[in-house]
Amino acid sequence: DADVTQTPRNRITKTGKRIMLECSQTKGHDRMYWYRQDPGLGLRLIYYSFDVKDINKGEISDGYSVSRQAQAKFSLSLESAIPNQTALYFCATSFRVGSTGSNEQFFGPGTRLTVL
Amino acid sequence: RKEVEQDPGPFNVPEGATVAFNCTYSNSASQSFFWYRQDCRKEPKLLMSVYSSGNEDGRFTAQLNRASQYISLLIRDSKLSDSATYLCVVRYQTGANNLFFGTGTRLTVIP
Repeated sequence: DADVTQTPRNRITKTGKRIMLECSQTKGHDRMYWYRQDPGLGLRLIYYSFDVKDINKGEISDGYSVSRQAQAKFSLSLESAIPNQTALYFCATSFRVGSTGSNEQFFGPGTRLTVL
Repeated sequence: RKEVEQDPGPFNVPEGATVAFNCTYSNSASQSFFWYRQDCRKEPKLLMSVYSSGNEDGRFTAQLNRASQYISLLIRDSKLSDSATYLCVVRYQTGANNLFFGTGTRLTVIP
C-alpha cells in the first residue's frame, strides 16, 4: 500500500463549486504539505502544517484553505473553484528537519483537478 | 526572479551517452540541495541530495558550487529508464524549512 495517498485522483468541476482534496499518510511524519504543479512553473507550495495545531500559508495560499484533522490527514479545500486553479495537486510529508539533516519529502500520487 | 532556475530542455540523448543538467538558485542563504526525479504523470521522488563536497551514486554525480550558486547533475551511461524530468530543489533555513522547486529538465534517452 502507498505511504501517502490522495483522493480523488482526478476531478472535473465547475466554476464556483467547493472542492476538497484529501491526503492521508502512514509514514508517521509530523509535517505535511500541499503543492500545485503547473506547466512551466514547477511545484509551488500552497499550505503546510508542522503538526495538528500548526497551519501555515505557503507561496500561493489565496483561494485555498486547509484542515489538519489528525497527524495522518491533511485536506485542501477550494471554497469557490475558478478555472486558473486547474492544476496537478500534490500532497507531501516529511519528518522534522534536524539542524544539519536533509528534508526529503515524500509525495502522494497527485490529484488532477480541472475547473471548467 | 525565480528561486531556482533550470534549463527546461528537452534533452534527447542516445543510450550510453553522458548528459549534464545545470541549475542556479537565487538565495545565497540556501542550505540544502537536492535532485528529484519525476516520471510523466507521477509524483516527484528524491533522486539524491547534493553535498558541498559533491557526491556520486552509481551513474549519477551531483556537484554544488556555492560561490556561483550553481548545482549540477551528471548522468553517465544513460539508460532508457533514465527518461524523466529532473527537478532541482533548494531549501533554505526559514521557519518552514520549505523546499523550492525548479521547473524541471526533461530528459529522453533514445534507443
